[in-house]
Amino acid sequence: NAGVMQNPRHLVRRRGQEARLRCSPMKGHSHVYWYRQLPEEGLKFMVYLQKENIIDESGMPKERFSAEFPKEGPSILRIQQVVRGDSAAYFCASSQQGYTEAFFGQGTRLTVV
Amino acid sequence: ELKVEQNPLFLSMQEGKNYTIYCNYSTTSDRLYWYRQDPGKSLESLFVLLSNGAVKQEGRLMASLDTKARLSTLHITAAVHDLSATYFCAVDRGMNRDDKIIFGKGTRLHILP
Repeated sequence: NAGVMQNPRHLVRRRGQEARLRCSPMKGHSHVYWYRQLPEEGLKFMVYLQKENIIDESGMPKERFSAEFPKEGPSILRIQQVVRGDSAAYFCASSQQGYTEAFFGQGTRLTVV
Repeated sequence: ELKVEQNPLFLSMQEGKNYTIYCNYSTTSDRLYWYRQDPGKSLESLFVLLSNGAVKQEGRLMASLDTKARLSTLHITAAVHDLSATYFCAVDRGMNRDDKIIFGKGTRLHILP
């Protein structure tokens, strides 16, 4: 059973471009969380999704950021018109409904130049 | 709003010593997690604590949960250099509701040989 898979591992974008981060949860997991981590800091919650539903997006910036978790395929975190302040590591975690543990992917390190 | 506070945020200690990391949270919860993160790496799940009085041990690490005090501790016994990492506690609000997981800021532990 493969773990949580995130890709790409590293992503470089110029200011104004779009960044798409993908997360494939563990097999059998229907819950996905996205977190952002700035250097030397903790994890900041962004969004919590189940298949085809956004459960909680209270941590998402109001503009430029969106997330989805379609019925088929990976969860996508999309950042439009990236700015330098978006540079961070973005981690995805998945869990199984009724199960108590969330497993993390390796993260995507976004650098905006 | 659920808040999670860890202390200390930084800890430098010598091998062979014992120490405790504290995690306080602000609202009722009966699921608490401890994770380890090595520099540049993802988060590794260490413990999941589900009930008041729960205690779990793995090697030199022992975690406990007091839901009445809203406090969890991570105790390190006879520290070794390999335990140097950042340790995060995280909380959500319970097994019967879909809820985001909120992280503390982490405790960066440096063990001196």
